[in-house]
Order: sequence, then structure tokens, then C-alpha cells
Amino acid sequence: QQQVKQSPQSLIVQKGGIPIINCAYENTAFDYFPWYQQFPGKGPALLIAIRPDVSEKKEGRFTISFNKSAKQFSLHIMDSQPGDSATYFCAASMGLASSNTGKLIFGQGTTLQVKP
Amino acid sequence: EAGVVQSPRYKIIEKKQPVAFWCNPISGHNTLYWYLQNLGQGPELLIRYENEEAVDDSQLPKDRFSAERLKGVDSTLKIQPAELGDSAVYLCASSLESTGELFFGEGSRLTVL
Repeated sequence: QQQVKQSPQSLIVQKGGIPIINCAYENTAFDYFPWYQQFPGKGPALLIAIRPDVSEKKEGRFTISFNKSAKQFSLHIMDSQPGDSATYFCAASMGLASSNTGKLIFGQGTTLQVKP
Repeated sequence: EAGVVQSPRYKIIEKKQPVAFWCNPISGHNTLYWYLQNLGQGPELLIRYENEEAVDDSQLPKDRFSAERLKGVDSTLKIQPAELGDSAVYLCASSLESTGELFFGEGSRLTVL
């Protein structure tokens, strides 16, 4: 019930394409859903995050779509660029109402390659 | 502003040897995390500190792993003795509060031979 399942494991798109990465969770107590971007040899960095009171959040070329009833959320990258080539992780955690505050549960990761 | 600093970046040791990793969080961040990242996997929490107190160490293998955060600032993660399966990247992260954004260091890559 603590797992976050991420798909696909890897993704190749052409420059300008819109890669979509999906995540699913079971624990309805999760109330914070961030996406992290990781380049080789670096630590993960927060890209964008959403809370379940909204169905969509957009920051620049990155959009999170959230479906609370389906317990799914996804990351869309508009007009993808070769510089977006990285590994993307979804994550989930419970907030202030729980003793698990701040404990991020990460998905397995998606390696994205954007071809020029 | 300096980010989360970790050292060493790389460490190669023989099995059964001890190893220690050091982390200096972002100044003012009271929450510090150690995560384990196996190759091709997402990070998994080992331990979380609120100031000096370890508030979640349920995933830390206490028979061989230990951690400390003296004075509520920098932290050390130790493995003794190391096993082959401990080869991974050990990530340190910090946040301004326990529900805030996590800032990760670049990690310490451990290879156990």
C-alpha cells in the first residue's frame, strides 16, 4: 500500500514531442505528489509538485495531471528538448496529519531520451 | 547559497570493511534525510532527522548501519561491516521543514568488492 508504481521504465521521443510518464498509488492518505528530475551523477531535483485539491498544475513546459478517483498522476513535458533527457521520478508522501510527514515514497524511475 | 554537500563522492572498499559518509545540509534546514538509491531504482528513505532527533529510522538496517546528527547540523552515515549488497548511491537531502521541498546532494557512490 506504500508503493508508487511508475511507467514506462524508459521512453524515447523526438525533439518537440510530448513524453508522458504515469504513476499510480494505493494509499489514499498520500497528499503530496512531486516529480523529481535526475541527471547522471547528480542528485534528484524537484521539478514540479501537486496536492490532490487540484487536477492539473502547469509550470513552464511541465504539467502534472492528477486523477484522485483513479489514484493516478502523470507528468507531461511539452515541446521536449534534448536537454530534458534525464531520469524522472514520481513520488508521494503524507503531510502534516501523519507521523510519516516528509517521508517520500519514490517510483522506480523513467529514463527519458529526447532525440535532436 | 551552497547546496547539500556530501563526501566522499566515490568510495571503493573491500567487503567487511567499515565506511562512513558525511553530509552538510543547506544552512537553516532543520530536517535531514539519508536515502539509498540502487542502480536503476528510485531513492528509498533510510533515516530522517528533525534537528538532532532521528524521527524515522524504521528502514535503517541497524545491525550494520548507524547514523548521527550531532548539534543538529551535519550528519554521518556509517556502515560496519560493509557487504557486497551495500553497493549503491547514498543520498543526503535536507528541507526547511518536514513537509517542504527536499534538496538533494550529489550522493556518495559506494562500491563494495
